[in-house]
Amino acid sequence: GQQVMQIPQYQHVQEGEDFTTYCNSSTTLSNIQWYKQRPGGHPVFLIQLVKSGEVKKQKRLTFQFGEAKKNSSLHITATQTTDVGTYFCAGLRYSGAGSYQLTFGKGTKLSVIP
Amino acid sequence: NAGVTQTPKFRVLKTGQSMTLLCAQDMNHEYMYWYRQDPGMGLRLIHYSVGEGTTAKGEVPDGYNVSRLKKQNFLLGLESAAPSQTSVYFCAVGGQAYNEQFFGPGTRLTVL
Repeated sequence: GQQVMQIPQYQHVQEGEDFTTYCNSSTTLSNIQWYKQRPGGHPVFLIQLVKSGEVKKQKRLTFQFGEAKKNSSLHITATQTTDVGTYFCAGLRYSGAGSYQLTFGKGTKLSVIP
Repeated sequence: NAGVTQTPKFRVLKTGQSMTLLCAQDMNHEYMYWYRQDPGMGLRLIHYSVGEGTTAKGEVPDGYNVSRLKKQNFLLGLESAAPSQTSVYFCAVGGQAYNEQFFGPGTRLTVL
């Protein structure tokens, strides 16, 4: 079945440092979605990338979708304590007959040291 | 608008007991999903529904049943709970299969 690998599993950074998490799929994706889950909370949608090579920015967050639509990354510039949480990528694959399958990566847990 | 709500928030069961988790939405979305989240495992899809009266199996359906009798509600049932079903359960809804999903607050279930 489709697998979505995400690395690293954990990342500890000093406040102000940059952070990047990477996502790789074994198959070509229709789109990739990114979610953030704060400690004790539920996943919250951040963004969706659809086009090959697409780059989107949200303030200090930069999202990229690879040319082959098999990999993606999330980069946070100058982390803040409010960035703490687990970041999940989720790859969407078309499985035929109008059906899609969304597979989540295992997430990267970000800790920010003040 | 409450968005997506889940009942109950917490539950402790003994092995072999049964229970039903309720997910309710006021977003009028067609797609509803049940996930479980375990440490280090991410989110795994249990069952999903593409509309009222329909259900389908996800990645880890064994030991669970679901029903979608009304568009706004999606029920997840455990007929005979096992300790391996100790987890946090999230319900999610979406307008289209390829759009973003909106998650409920979760139900933390412990099976002793």
